[in-house]
This record gives sequence, C-alpha cells and structure tokens, in this order.
Amino acid sequence: GQQLNQSPQSMFIQEGEDVSMNCTSSSIFNTWLWYKQDPGEGPVLLIALYKAGELTSNGRLTAQFGITRKDSFLNISASIPSDVGIYFCAGRPSLNNNNDMRFGAGTRLTVKP
Amino acid sequence: DGGITQSPKYLFRKEGQNVTLSCEQNLNHDAMYWYRQDPGQGLRLIYYSQIVNDFQKGDIAEGYSVSREKKESFPLTVTSAQKNPTAFYLCASHGGSAFFGQGTRLTVV
Repeated sequence: GQQLNQSPQSMFIQEGEDVSMNCTSSSIFNTWLWYKQDPGEGPVLLIALYKAGELTSNGRLTAQFGITRKDSFLNISASIPSDVGIYFCAGRPSLNNNNDMRFGAGTRLTVKP
Repeated sequence: DGGITQSPKYLFRKEGQNVTLSCEQNLNHDAMYWYRQDPGQGLRLIYYSQIVNDFQKGDIAEGYSVSREKKESFPLTVTSAQKNPTAFYLCASHGGSAFFGQGTRLTVV
C-alpha cells in the first residue's frame, strides 16, 4: 500500500499567495518526484529529486529532498489561477528495485482570483 | 514523439461485461503500471509489470486482469467481478521517473 503521507489534503488560497505542501514516509526514499494533475488528465511530472538535500526549481515551483531522506517539500510562489489542480508526491523506496514507485494521496489546490 | 498513450479516453460498460483498456508506450521502459483514481482520491495501484511476460498484483487487483506480451503494451481488463468499476484509470511507465497516459474514464451504465 501507499507509504507516503502527503499534507495538506486540500488548500484554498488567494491568487498571489505562496503555497507549501509536503510528503513524509516512514522509510528512506531514494528518489522524490512531484506531479500535477489537471482535471480529467494524467499527472505531469514537475520536478524530480535524486539526492538528499537537493533543492530544485522549475519556474515558480521549488522542491527539496529532505536531509533525512524521509520527506520532501514543494513550494509554489506567487500562485496564479492555472496552478489549480491536484499535486502528487511520489517516491522510490529501494535502491535495489528501480521499478518500485509509491504515491501520496495528493494535495488539491484551489486558487481564488 | 515518445510517450504513453491510453485509449479510449471515455468508456461505457454495461453491468456484467468485461472491458479492456489499452496502454501503449514507445519510451522503451521496462516497468508499466495501472492505477485507479476515484473522485477526490489519490492513486491506487491495481497491477504492475517490471518486465515482459511478468506482472504482479497491486493493492486493489481483485476484479482486474492484465497481460504483458510486449514491452510496449500493458492492457487492463476490468472484469464483471469488479463490483464498483466506475473510476478514472491511469497507466504509467517508468524509467527513472514515471510518465502517465491521459487516462480512461470508465462508467458503468
């Protein structure tokens, strides 16, 4: 089953505000991925993280691979209406099994103009 | 262009019927996955395959079946044994990062 705890479950923010969400696990992960899903579509990869402590940006999005390797954070700065969607974290828990991927339950983001 | 393709985008099934959802990828990925997503919910793993001619059950495999005869293809059959099949189904392939198809919305009528 899923081993990732993603929070918050949902967020309602005003346009222009910054957003922060996180994902934690009870075991060490070796890769962290963040996805965004628009309604009726498949998730699209936003950021991939491969090393503990890694901080990576993609436009207004910034994600970090936690030092303990048990968590990751995604921040969105200066939110805009098109940021609306569901954000999923995903992680790969085992070095020996490259095909084992687990997903968080998602954070549903609503941006009010 | 490389990618992963699901078809159809919308599918309607009568109760008691089996239906098959298609998933094809040209990314040369060994691993492929099927997930189910219900409204307002996360992704639940149905089946996954790490290599051709091999697949394993995920967390909610009951009522579903798969095959992996070719590396590029991983079709999912929703059988009549699946009591609540209406959902959004997502296929993914994995080669370091997971890439998703556009999804198939299945509705039982």
